[in-house]
Amino acid sequence: AQKITQTQPGMFVQEKEAVTLDCTYDTSDPSYGLFWYKQPSSGEMIFLIYQGSYDQQNATEGRYSLNFQKARKSANLVISASQLGDSAMYFCAMRANSGYSTLTFGKGTMLLVSP
Amino acid sequence: GAGVSQTPSNKVTEKGKYVELRCDPISGHTALYWYRQSLGQGPEFLIYFQGTGAADDSGLPNDRFFAVRPEGSVSTLKIQRTERGDSAVYLCASSLLTSGGARDTQYFGPGTRLTVL
Repeated sequence: AQKITQTQPGMFVQEKEAVTLDCTYDTSDPSYGLFWYKQPSSGEMIFLIYQGSYDQQNATEGRYSLNFQKARKSANLVISASQLGDSAMYFCAMRANSGYSTLTFGKGTMLLVSP
Repeated sequence: GAGVSQTPSNKVTEKGKYVELRCDPISGHTALYWYRQSLGQGPEFLIYFQGTGAADDSGLPNDRFFAVRPEGSVSTLKIQRTERGDSAVYLCASSLLTSGGARDTQYFGPGTRLTVL
């Protein structure tokens, strides 16, 4: 079984600043994938970034980067140069790669970007 | 290309009624998933289809919930004798593969908000 913990219910950041959203996970599977999704008020879950447990480098996608620390079982999302449109709920999720496994989500972090 | 679509976007029903929620996955995606998201929570897995068959329905809360995918594309989530506790957003997702890795990324639809009065 997998477990995702997001300890920050809400985060505030000013426009153009960087922000880190925390995510820790627990799994006994040796191979797994970590995902971050953004959910704006419209409700749709938007895929942001993926990190494989055996990837040598931290994943990056534009302004998003994933600070993956395997020994600490953490997969924090870093958003650089925040924009007003980044205001949304952010969910960390994971999936084991052993056979079939579905996504397990955390409870999410609400990010508010102010002008 | 077109993303995952779900209809209706909103559904209000009375306790005890039957509802159907529809999901149209991304073309070519063989895997389809249903999740339920309650207020203030992350999505929780309900059922997963690989092709036409339900590969894992362990997340369905009880036998009032049922889902089908008869032709391996569109799926319908069916809820009988709805209860107020069924009120939530029902999300559908699809993925290209299920073998793990980046190509197993699930892409979500906009969800159906179900309200049971």
